[in-house]
This record gives sequence, C-alpha cells and structure tokens, in this order.
Amino acid sequence: KNEVEQSPQNLTAQEGEFITINCSYSVGISALHWLQQHPGGGIVSLFMLSSGKKKHGRLIATINIQEKHSSLHITASHPRDSAVYICAVVLYYGGATNKLIFGTGTLLAVQP
Amino acid sequence: NAGVMQNPRHLVRRRGQEARLRCSPMKGHSHVYWYRQLPEEGLKFMVYLQKENIIDESGMPKERFSAEFPKEGPSILRIQQVVRGDSAAYFCASSRELHGWQEQFFGPGTRLTVL
Repeated sequence: KNEVEQSPQNLTAQEGEFITINCSYSVGISALHWLQQHPGGGIVSLFMLSSGKKKHGRLIATINIQEKHSSLHITASHPRDSAVYICAVVLYYGGATNKLIFGTGTLLAVQP
Repeated sequence: NAGVMQNPRHLVRRRGQEARLRCSPMKGHSHVYWYRQLPEEGLKFMVYLQKENIIDESGMPKERFSAEFPKEGPSILRIQQVVRGDSAAYFCASSRELHGWQEQFFGPGTRLTVL
C-alpha cells in the first residue's frame, strides 16, 4: 500500500463544474504539497499547507491532520485546468531531510 | 528572480554513454532535491544535497548514478553507462532551508531518452 493515495485516478468534468481531488496519507507529515503537471510539462507548486485551508483564485486546498486527509477543490473549472494533479507529503523526520513522497496523481480532463 | 533552472531540457544518449544533468537552484536556495519520473509512473525521490554535501541518497540506484552540489556552480546528476531503463524525466527542486514547511520549487525537468 502506498504511503500517499489519491482519488480518483482519472476525472472527466464539464466546463464550469466543481471538482474535488482527494489525498490520504498513512505517515506523519510536516507539510503537504499540491502540484500541477501538464502533459510533457514541468511541475508547478499550487499549495503547501500544514493545517487548515488555503485559497488561490479558483483553487482551494484543505487539510485535516487528525484524519490524515487533504482535498484540492477547483471551482468553475475550465479546459485549461486539464492536467495531472499530484499530492506530495513531507515526512516528519525530526530534521534530517524533507524529501517529498508523492501520490500517483489524478489526471483531470475538463471538456468545453 | 529566476526560478530553478535545468539543462538540458532534452537529452538523447545511446546505451553505454554518460548523461550529465544540471540544476541551478533559485537564488538564495542552498538545498537541492532530485526526483525521477519514469514513463507512466509517479515521481520518486532520488537524492537530497546541500552545498558540498550529500544528505540523503536513499532513492539513488546503487550503481551508475551519482550527484554533487559543489560550492560554486550547479548541482549535477550524473548517470554513467546509461541503459534504456534510465529514460525518464528528471526534476530538481530547491528550497531555502531544511525545515519541512519550506516550500520546494521545481525546475522544468530534463527529459532523458536512451536509444
């Protein structure tokens, strides 16, 4: 079982729909990242959070540390949101390293 | 303020050749991470370096792969005697400090193709 699980693996939505991508993890963490990757493209960091909720434009990320769960929401989705969304956690090691452990990603396709 | 730079963006090598991938962290960042994304697979940690030191290489293959981050110049990921299974996208990321809440910023990646 992966330490970081994402659902769904694939998601197709119509333009304008509200989208939710979920991430569950089984290890202690000090922070969680949401990343975006377009096909064949680079990786863009959308959010880094360790508690509560963050909002940037149409994107909202929440985390529940007790339940070891995070969600990424996209409001009023648009075809340009089509990409792979990746959840990554920083293990709570107590100081030696903060390497990222990645989920397998969610492939989102928003149709016009 | 330029972001994380990686070069080359695309690299083609024949089996048995060497591949050198370069990563220049963001200005003021002294921590570099290398990650590999194999075709149709997720990202995996390879190595974490600070200036002149390898801190964590738990994700590096035991043979043919090495990394360095000299006092001056970019971080280098070196793959000797490449094989087809090394074909992947290699991303580096940098952060200012060690703490877990320090955000990592990713470079555009180097896509290595081994013929």
